Amino acid sequence: AQKITQTQPGMFVQEKEAVTLDCTYDTSDQSYGLFWYKQPSSGEMIFLIYQGSYDEQNATEGRYSLNFQKARKSANLVISASQLGDSAMYFCAAYTGRRALTFGSGTRLQVQP
Amino acid sequence: DGGITQSPKYLFRKEGQNVTLSCEQNLNHDAMYWYRQDPGQGLRLIYYSQIVNDFQKGDIAEGYSVSREKKESFPLTVTSAQKNPTAFYLCASSIVAGVNQPQHFGDGTRLSIL
Repeated sequence: AQKITQTQPGMFVQEKEAVTLDCTYDTSDQSYGLFWYKQPSSGEMIFLIYQGSYDEQNATEGRYSLNFQKARKSANLVISASQLGDSAMYFCAAYTGRRALTFGSGTRLQVQP
Repeated sequence: DGGITQSPKYLFRKEGQNVTLSCEQNLNHDAMYWYRQDPGQGLRLIYYSQIVNDFQKGDIAEGYSVSREKKESFPLTVTSAQKNPTAFYLCASSIVAGVNQPQHFGDGTRLSIL
């Protein structure tokens, strides 16, 4: 069964600094997709970035980048130049063989001024 | 604007009552999903549908039912058999069900027991 592990329940970062949120996954599938979502306190889930298992380059979307290490089965999210509005829950997710997302337990990021 | 609309935003259920959560999308997406989120936890899959008139159980389908009669709509019924329904419910959709397809979410419905 697919499993996503986020080992950091909470993280603090100073405004304008970079932060890395950890994610490891466990799958026997050869083809899979990895996703990161942001959930502000209002509750909606905002799609941030995607990495395919066959992509050789790390994905980037603005201040977000995904550090994909396939052999280690890790897909860490890097947020550069943190802003106060980045304070939220962040979830790592992967596509299972059932074609639906499996989510990790999340990391609460707090950006301090 | 295209998007996913969930209603109501807040819902209260009495003991023994069935309630239905609405999810409508105008993105022309084939696949739709329902997730449950408990406080401080990640999302768990209840049901998903890859196409009209077809749906599959997720990890925690017991006590829930769905229908997919129209492409735009995927309502979730929380039945009286669901003994602990208090949670945040999120509906999502994607163009198709596939490993490279991000899911887009509605704003959620918070369900509580009276």
